Amino acid sequence: GDSVTQMEGPVTLSEEAFLTINCTYTATGYPSLFWYVQYPGEGLQLLLKATKADDKGSNKGFEATYRKETTSFHLEKGSVQVSDSAVYFCALLDSSYKLIFGSGTRLLVRP
Amino acid sequence: DAGVIQSPRHEVTEMGQEVTLRCKPISGHNSLFWYRQTMMRGLELLIYFNNNVPIDDSGMPEDRFSAKMPNASFSTLKIQPSEPRDSAVYFCASSTARGHGTQYFGPGTRLLVL
Repeated sequence: GDSVTQMEGPVTLSEEAFLTINCTYTATGYPSLFWYVQYPGEGLQLLLKATKADDKGSNKGFEATYRKETTSFHLEKGSVQVSDSAVYFCALLDSSYKLIFGSGTRLLVRP
Repeated sequence: DAGVIQSPRHEVTEMGQEVTLRCKPISGHNSLFWYRQTMMRGLELLIYFNNNVPIDDSGMPEDRFSAKMPNASFSTLKIQPSEPRDSAVYFCASSTARGHGTQYFGPGTRLLVL
């Protein structure tokens, strides 16, 4: 079945550092891809998405590009802030319209 | 917009008791999802509804779990009888269409079964 693999955390960075969180997927066809973020004590919220190959999703300084050649959707941000500390989930929408989530990557940004 | 509303936010109960979790989706959304989140298993989809009809309940762990959606603005997830291994955070999410992928999550219900 379809699956999503994310890099294990926690990822610890200093403020203003560059962020990359790796995400790869296995799926039939070319599913839509998503990044969701979960702040402490809250539910998940959509960060960005891409619906086809070579699309770039972006929001709040975060970006991810849909790469079908490498089946990847890595999340990047040029300069992280303390307020970006959260758990980030990569996900795909499978053929049954279900979101398949990765295991999540915790990001901790230190001042 | 009030967002997805879940109640209660926290629930502590004893093993064997019945637990009912409630969800009010965003008005106009016609797909509703119940998830469970634990450290060990991560985020699991339990069941989802489209236009109030259960479409996929393959994630429901066992017969002790049941879910209903009597109308477009209300859903329940019931555990009877509850067990300590059911302790988790339960999220409800809704979306405008099941093929959309953009789901709006509620704040979750943190359940502890003693």
